Amino acid sequence: QQQVKQSPQSLIVQKGGISIINCAYENTAFDYFPWYQQFPGKGPALLIAIRPDVSEKKEGRFTISFNKSAKQFSLHIMDSQPGDSATYFCAASTSGGSNYKLTFGKGTLLTVNP
Amino acid sequence: NAGVMQNPRHLVRRRGQEARLRCSPMKGHSHVYWYRQLPEEGLKFMVYLQKENIIDESGMPKERFSAEFPKEGPSILRIQQVVRGDSAAYFCASSSADNTEAFFGQGTRLTVV
Repeated sequence: QQQVKQSPQSLIVQKGGISIINCAYENTAFDYFPWYQQFPGKGPALLIAIRPDVSEKKEGRFTISFNKSAKQFSLHIMDSQPGDSATYFCAASTSGGSNYKLTFGKGTLLTVNP
Repeated sequence: NAGVMQNPRHLVRRRGQEARLRCSPMKGHSHVYWYRQLPEEGLKFMVYLQKENIIDESGMPKERFSAEFPKEGPSILRIQQVVRGDSAAYFCASSSADNTEAFFGQGTRLTVV
């Protein structure tokens, strides 16, 4: 049973465009929703995270939108750059806002063309 | 200020051999987590350890897999009698006592031939 569903599986965007990745979850006990960025041969790195008491969080060009009633959250990358090309994972946990026992989506391979 | 160190980066084992994966957490971190990433899959939680204690091993296969985090030295993930299905990338992450952010290592890519 996949508890966090991520789409699309792959995404191609032109430089300067907006990249949007969506995730949906089933477990209403999830209370922490981070996004990770992973480059080939590297480990995942925390990009941005949100808790369900807010509907949006922005850090630089990266924004998380959260819809608690729909059990969905998404990552928006504004002004996408070739250096943003990587695999992005959404995740969720039930551990009071910690990173303990994260449940990950399957990932989205983002390619930003110059 | 070294990050989470995993070694080896790549490990090749024949079926039936043992694989030992090591993880040194970031300085000051006392919590370690192991995740497994199969090809084209997200990471899946395996085990959560603190020094000398296994806190949650609900993601560990029931047989052949074990993990430890001794008082001194790195955390070890041990896979006995490896099979081809064990081929994957194994990631270790660590966090401080408040668990607010986990930092991942670069992973060990295990190939069973």
